[in-house]
Amino acid sequence: DAGVIQSPRHEVTEMGQEVTLRCKPISGHNSLFWYRQTMMRGLELLIYFNNNVPIDDSGMPEDRFSAKMPNASFSTLKIQPSEPRDSAVYFCASSLRLAGSDTQYFGPGTRLTVL
Amino acid sequence: AQSVAQPEDQVNVAEGNPLTVKCTYSVSGNPYLFWYVQYPNRGLQFLLKYITGDNLVKGSYGFEAEFNKSQTSFHLKKPSALVSDSALYFCAVRDEDTGFQKLVFGTGTRLLVSP
Repeated sequence: DAGVIQSPRHEVTEMGQEVTLRCKPISGHNSLFWYRQTMMRGLELLIYFNNNVPIDDSGMPEDRFSAKMPNASFSTLKIQPSEPRDSAVYFCASSLRLAGSDTQYFGPGTRLTVL
Repeated sequence: AQSVAQPEDQVNVAEGNPLTVKCTYSVSGNPYLFWYVQYPNRGLQFLLKYITGDNLVKGSYGFEAEFNKSQTSFHLKKPSALVSDSALYFCAVRDEDTGFQKLVFGTGTRLLVSP
């Protein structure tokens, strides 16, 4: 069974360019999460979706960041324009939300470097 | 607001010895507690969780954790450490009563198991 799939695994871009990160959640999962991991700030939740609807985007740092989930099997996180301080590892996670607990399963991450 | 503290940046243990990675939490309602492990250049892997019931939770790779409500702790343990257990460990908490799925992660503890 495939886990969460993220692409690309590595992205190097120049300041000012648009960056799009992609995520395919585990089939059958109905919740999707985007996280950012840096040495300074640790692991931060950026946004999450339930049934393709954004529920909490309070972690999105600025208007330069946007996320979409057009269907249950695909989500994007876009940064436009990118800045060097956006350099981080971005993780996507998915879960099956049931009454009670749900466990989040993480993808391998996208390492973003903005020059 | 919920929070998690991992008081040790690094834990060193010799192979074959028992290990403990500490975690304390703060929530207003009932906690859902999780442990994840991260190997270099990899995503977070789920180890175990506490929802309700038995205070001793068993998880993957021989790890277990003990929920202590009076001490608001959820320490990760393993009776006999392996060199391959060397990794970054994250504790996370969610407040059951909020109805939100947001997980709050600790800053991580690096476990180093020496041969």
